[in-house]
This record gives sequence, structure tokens and C-alpha cells, in this order.
Amino acid sequence: SQQGEEDPQALSIQEGENATMNCSYKTSINNLQWYRQNSGRGLVHLILIRSNEREKHSGRLRVTLDTSKKSSSLLITASRAADTASYFCATDADQAGTALIFGKGTTLSVSS
Amino acid sequence: DAGVTQSPTHLIKTRGQHVTLRCSPISGHKSVSWYQQVLGQGPQFIFQYYEKEERGRGNFPDRFSARQFPNYSSELNVNALLLGDSALYLCASSSLREGAKNIQYFGAGTRLSVL
Repeated sequence: SQQGEEDPQALSIQEGENATMNCSYKTSINNLQWYRQNSGRGLVHLILIRSNEREKHSGRLRVTLDTSKKSSSLLITASRAADTASYFCATDADQAGTALIFGKGTTLSVSS
Repeated sequence: DAGVTQSPTHLIKTRGQHVTLRCSPISGHKSVSWYQQVLGQGPQFIFQYYEKEERGRGNFPDRFSARQFPNYSSELNVNALLLGDSALYLCASSSLREGAKNIQYFGAGTRLSVL
């Protein structure tokens, strides 16, 4: 079963705008990761935030984590057409590091 | 360095048949995980193997099985295929040397269609 939900399910913006997508999860976590998937291909790891961190930056990406609300957000600044993809959050509740539990994803479309 | 490679890329089978999917991890990675991704959904965890031992199993029927070889490559087997098994099957490798980070590196997947 899915761990949680991404919101919105789909997002359409213009190049240069910021894109924000949210993720909610159900159980306690060790860390939360965001992955990107282009058109039914493999997933690419974007960023990881540990459960004791509140915010993390990587290039044009900013991730926040609120463990009290069991939620995270991914902000992509100054988006480009090449950012068009599906974005998934994944949680890792197992200390031994077995399963990643993914949400259903947000489909981002950036038009030029 | 080569990334995670999966074969075949596409596969068409009929109900009741058996299928074997293959995965080669990134060199040096000893952990391989398998995920099923149905259209419009996120990936669902099937198995994880580490050092040839099963470390985790998702909520999938016994028709699904896997193994890992001494060179850390892996096979996913599905018996008695059902229409609902049609999906993208993703393999991911991880070094697990980064402690609890569990960052996984995915292959491009095998698209299985069951008719």
C-alpha cells in the first residue's frame, strides 16, 4: 500500500515560475526522499532529508519536513521545461534500510 | 561507470505464463530491490536482497520470487501471470554503506504487458 499522498496530483506552470508539491505520510520515519521520474522511465534521486532536519537545499530544490504534521514539501524554483516529470516522495521507516515506500506522485508540466 | 541495467526493456506475455526479469546493480552495490509500478501509481516494494539474502518482502503473492547471485545481479520471477501483473518493473541498487540513508539508484525498468 502507499505510504501517503502527494498534493497536487497534477501541476501546470510556466517556465520561470516556482513549483511546490506536498507529501503526507502515515508512520514515523528515519528520513524522507524525493525522486523524479521522466515519462515512465526509472526514478532519479533528488534529495534526502533526515527526520531531525527541518529544511534542506540543493541547487534549485528546497525541501522542508514537518514530522509533527507528517508532511514534507518540495519547492522547485525558476522551473524549466526540462523539469517536466513526475515527482515522488519516499519514506524509509526501517532502520535496516529495506523498503522505500512511495506516494502516488505529482505530475509537473512546465511550458515554455 | 554503468548504472543499473535491466533486461529486457519490454516484454509481452499471455495469462498463465512465467516471466524472468534481470537486473545488474551498480558496481560495488551489494543490495538490490525490486518495485512494481502500475500506470498512474507510485512504485510498490516487492523484494530487497543484500549479500544474496532476502532482507525484505512486500505484500505480493507467492507467485513472485527473486534471487541474487554471487556477482550481486538479481532475477525477479513471476509465475502464473495475471492481467493485473502488467506494469513497469523497476530494479534499484544501493550500497547500504551510507548507513540509514538508503538512497536507491534505479534502472530504466522492464515494461511487462500481460494479454
